[in-house]
Amino acid sequence: DAKTTQPTSMDCAEGRAANLPCNHSTISGNEYVYWYRQIHSQGPQYIIHGLKNNETNEMASLIITEDRKSSTLILPHATLRDTAVYYCIVRVRGETSGSRLTFGEGTQLTVNP
Amino acid sequence: DTEVTQTPKHLVMGMTNKKSLKCEQHMGHRAMYWYKQKAKKPPELMFVYSYEKLSINESVPSRFSPECPNSSLLNLHLHALQPEDSALYLCASSQRGNQPQHFGDGTRLSIL
Repeated sequence: DAKTTQPTSMDCAEGRAANLPCNHSTISGNEYVYWYRQIHSQGPQYIIHGLKNNETNEMASLIITEDRKSSTLILPHATLRDTAVYYCIVRVRGETSGSRLTFGEGTQLTVNP
Repeated sequence: DTEVTQTPKHLVMGMTNKKSLKCEQHMGHRAMYWYKQKAKKPPELMFVYSYEKLSINESVPSRFSPECPNSSLLNLHLHALQPEDSALYLCASSQRGNQPQHFGDGTRLSIL
């Protein structure tokens, strides 16, 4: 799976949009970008994933650049409960019998009042 | 509330004890996973079960022994652990291996 690079930490004001970047310059054509987050004392939580088109769900939006070498997770109106470590993961999404998630160090997002 | 339930939430054991961690899901998922997470580090994969068969073992020491008795249950049997095995143990499941994984909140294990 391709390696990802994320900033170690970011701050965001409550109510504002949080934009979390991720670089994955060695991504292959059959690799998807996944985002998970881990709130303190909880297990990781799936947020969103995409291949090359922008994606949106009830939690967030995912913007992938045209060359697919980077992406941005957008939380449109951050709340204090969005304070967490956010992980960007690239992996092949084929029909496998069981596949690994390789977590990097992630970005600690702190939402401030 | 998480849909993957792990018990116990906390466990303290001595190095000579035998204990088991339990994970349960009722979402009909056919892939289940064990991860280990040390403090301030990301989770690391230990084992993957697919359709109740072990499909991935990330070279985990034999003092950790996984078991999948049925499609809803996943156990991790512990024996003769070392202090460095103290960590948060996370269970996850997915509909199939290529679907997003759903995590439990983990068992925090301390080895005395």
